[in-house]
Amino acid sequence: AQRVTQPEKLLSVFKGAPVELKCNYSYSGSPELFWYVQYSRQRLQLLLRHISRESIKGFTADLNKGETSFHLKKPFAQEEDSAMYYCALNPGTGGFKTIFGAGTRLFVKA
Amino acid sequence: EPEVTQTPSHQVTQMGQEVILRCVPISNHLYFYWYRQILGQKVEFLVSFYNNEISEKSEIFDDQFSVERPDGSNFTLKIRSTKLEDSAMYFCASSAPNYGYTFGSGTRLTVV
Repeated sequence: AQRVTQPEKLLSVFKGAPVELKCNYSYSGSPELFWYVQYSRQRLQLLLRHISRESIKGFTADLNKGETSFHLKKPFAQEEDSAMYYCALNPGTGGFKTIFGAGTRLFVKA
Repeated sequence: EPEVTQTPSHQVTQMGQEVILRCVPISNHLYFYWYRQILGQKVEFLVSFYNNEISEKSEIFDDQFSVERPDGSNFTLKIRSTKLEDSAMYFCASSAPNYGYTFGSGTRLTVV
């Protein structure tokens, strides 16, 4: 069964501290993994795709197939990073549903 | 940057009434989706749509729900007879192959 697990509902860190948002997935094939972000009162936005191997707003995420993880990391958190973060899995090429994790609320304290 | 547009932003309806939620996807995208998020819960898949037909739907998407792309531009979600438990934020999204979704800003549906 396809499943995305984000074990932390809430993560609170101080500004300037490193942050890691955990994501584990369950899927037998080679999925596409994404991170979406939802700032307060705004729409869900795509943050990262694993296949592009990019860094957006200082965030990176590495797909670890052995551990079936796709953790989101940032070395120095900023207050504007406070948001809801969703890890998501898509099993194939477009046209297939994307499964979202339950989300982790990141709160960056001054 | 292209956006997915959803209207209305908030809809209040009486139980048993029909509602139509509207979406204008990004023009060169081929795949369209509806998701919903009940307050405090996770984002749930409802339906995906490609080539003028439903490509996949969830168990939530029962006979009370339908989708249409009536004019090549709009993508609508209809709920025939709303129930209290249909109250949620409904998100439309569109995508191109191998890319993530672009979401609309959502329609908050309140069934009273």
